[in-house]
Amino acid sequence: EVQLVQSGAEVKKPGESLRISCQGAGYTFTDYWITWVRQMPGKGLEWMGRIDPIDSFTKYSPSFQGHVTISADKSISTAYLQWSSLKASDTAMYYCARHRQPLDPFDSWGQGTLVTVSS
Amino acid sequence: EIVLTQSPGTLSLSPGERATLSCRASQSVSSSYLAWYQQKPGQAPRLLIYGASSRATGIPDRFSGSGSGTDFTLTISRLEPEDFAVYYCQQYGSSQGYTFGQGTKLEIK
Repeated sequence: EVQLVQSGAEVKKPGESLRISCQGAGYTFTDYWITWVRQMPGKGLEWMGRIDPIDSFTKYSPSFQGHVTISADKSISTAYLQWSSLKASDTAMYYCARHRQPLDPFDSWGQGTLVTVSS
Repeated sequence: EIVLTQSPGTLSLSPGERATLSCRASQSVSSSYLAWYQQKPGQAPRLLIYGASSRATGIPDRFSGSGSGTDFTLTISRLEPEDFAVYYCQQYGSSQGYTFGQGTKLEIK
């Protein structure tokens, strides 16, 4: 069974750093891109960026470029989303999802990681 | 950036009725790289339709997609209680990246 298992909920203060993870199981991790999607409270879905785990090639949405970093460690089938300095406006649910190629839909999703940033 | 506009924002129907959800793009979506996702409260989105009209694995045939260019439709032929959720369209054919519509909430009347 294909699974994307995300790390648990986080509560952070503004200015703190954070890295959340997404581990793939039940498939060959390097055969699929991993993408990250933000969902702010009560709002819709926003694509943040994607990574090819085979060579860590990344592409970011212009809206998120420079604000987050996407990385991957193919040896442990895990992708990451990280912030160097969180803001209250980063409070959201973050989902990872996989797609076989850039021109493919997201056919499997993680369960989501809730990030709360509050002083 | 391709902007997707979904209508209506909220659709109130009863089980057994037919639902028609619309997604309009600000420019043509190349090669029908248009998908539909269902999201229930507290859950991750689930892929329903890709390539504008192909059902994803395990999706019941009461769900169907149609359209091309800038106008796309998701139809649910006979609503089941478990179909009441939020539905998002997404384009994945732009070199600039992917965009989602703002969502249509399908609620029980």
